[in-house]
Amino acid sequence: DQQVKQNSPSLSVQEGRISILNCDYTNSMFDYFLWYKKYPAEGPTFLISISSIKDKNEDGRFTVFLNKSAKHLSLHIVPSQPGDSAVYFCAARDSGNTPLVFGKGTRLSVIA
Amino acid sequence: DTGVSQDPRHKITKRGQNVTFRCDPISEHNRLYWYRQTLGQGPEFLTYFQNEAQLEKSRLLSDRFSAERPKGSFSTLEIQRTEQGDSAMYLCASSLPTKGTGTGGYTFGSGTRLTVV
Repeated sequence: DQQVKQNSPSLSVQEGRISILNCDYTNSMFDYFLWYKKYPAEGPTFLISISSIKDKNEDGRFTVFLNKSAKHLSLHIVPSQPGDSAVYFCAARDSGNTPLVFGKGTRLSVIA
Repeated sequence: DTGVSQDPRHKITKRGQNVTFRCDPISEHNRLYWYRQTLGQGPEFLTYFQNEAQLEKSRLLSDRFSAERPKGSFSTLEIQRTEQGDSAMYLCASSLPTKGTGTGGYTFGSGTRLTVV
């Protein structure tokens, strides 16, 4: 049973435009959410996170939005750059510090 | 600090052979995690340690898999009698324990890609 779902396997965006990556979760005990970025042949790298007490967290070009009632979060990248082309994973954990649960990922392609 | 190191980067083995992977975490991180990633999937949790204690094992970790972290520093993951279904990227990550709404981010290594032929 997938507790963290990324329903879009891939996304193509033109350089300079906004990229929106979506993530849904089913476990209401999750209270901390993270986004990771992964390039081929490398491990995932931490990008941005948000706790359940917030609905938005911003870091430069990256903003994560959390809608707890809908059990939905999204990552906005603006403006998108070719170097953002990678696989993005959504991950979540509960307050008990249990291991992160990851979604299947969304492959973002930013076209110059 | 050079981050999380994994060795080897690639391993090709024949079905039925045993393989062992090593992970060296960030030195001040007392938590160490093993994940497995197959094509089209996200990282799937296998097991984790806090210092030398193995605190949790996933049901994905069959009896053929064993992990150790003998001195609370590096860790090894051994797969006995490998099967073709074991072919995957094995990722190691480390972190500090967090409380409540702490950062909780893991630092991942580059992974070991296992191919069982």
